[in-house]
Amino acid sequence: DTAVSQTPKYLVTQMGNDKSIKCEQNLGHDTMYWYKQDSKKFLKIMFSYNNKELIINETVPNRFSPKSPDKAHLNLHINSLELGDSAVYFCASSHGLAGPYEQYFGPGTRLTVT
Amino acid sequence: KQEVTQIPAALSVPEGENLVLNCSFTDSAIYNLQWFRQDPGKGLTSLLLIQSSQREQTSGRLNASLDKSSGRSTLYIAASQPGDSATYLCAALNYTGANSKLTFGKGITLSVRP
Repeated sequence: DTAVSQTPKYLVTQMGNDKSIKCEQNLGHDTMYWYKQDSKKFLKIMFSYNNKELIINETVPNRFSPKSPDKAHLNLHINSLELGDSAVYFCASSHGLAGPYEQYFGPGTRLTVT
Repeated sequence: KQEVTQIPAALSVPEGENLVLNCSFTDSAIYNLQWFRQDPGKGLTSLLLIQSSQREQTSGRLNASLDKSSGRSTLYIAASQPGDSATYLCAALNYTGANSKLTFGKGITLSVRP
């Protein structure tokens, strides 16, 4: 009965590698998000897609690219990983962005770049 | 640029106390404001969402209020319990379609002592 799932839960990789984190929601939501939470626990939104259309696109390096193959999936691909990319990445979803729509979060993916 | 501030960063109270968590924002043209709870090592759980046209929302022992003109929201927790110990974050949505902004505060870490 998982609502928002992310894989993998932990990811350890070396600098310069390319990696992807997958997110899936089975709530029938139209909007999905990617967040980054740094070592100081500060949470910042990176992207938001509504019906596969990008609606929030914060200033993040071009090395980060979201991919939404369908409404239920929003994957995050990261090229040329750097030490500063180490963080916990959360996926979330909601019925919409503008409205009384609460967000549901996944369990997070802890990325460690060595 | 929207800035969301939560002060203090940490709070410790004895069990049974009623308490108020504060959230302030600089841009009052928000669409909604949402309060979340985050337990250590977990994702966020939505607690309450207040639309810009609303003044407050209630759920059980929680009551969130919104005063757009003064740029403030409060989360009131009645009869606090040790299980309320967690980090509480607020997030303000400035909705402008494709360039929407969702800004989080840094959170207040609450500890309720038995």
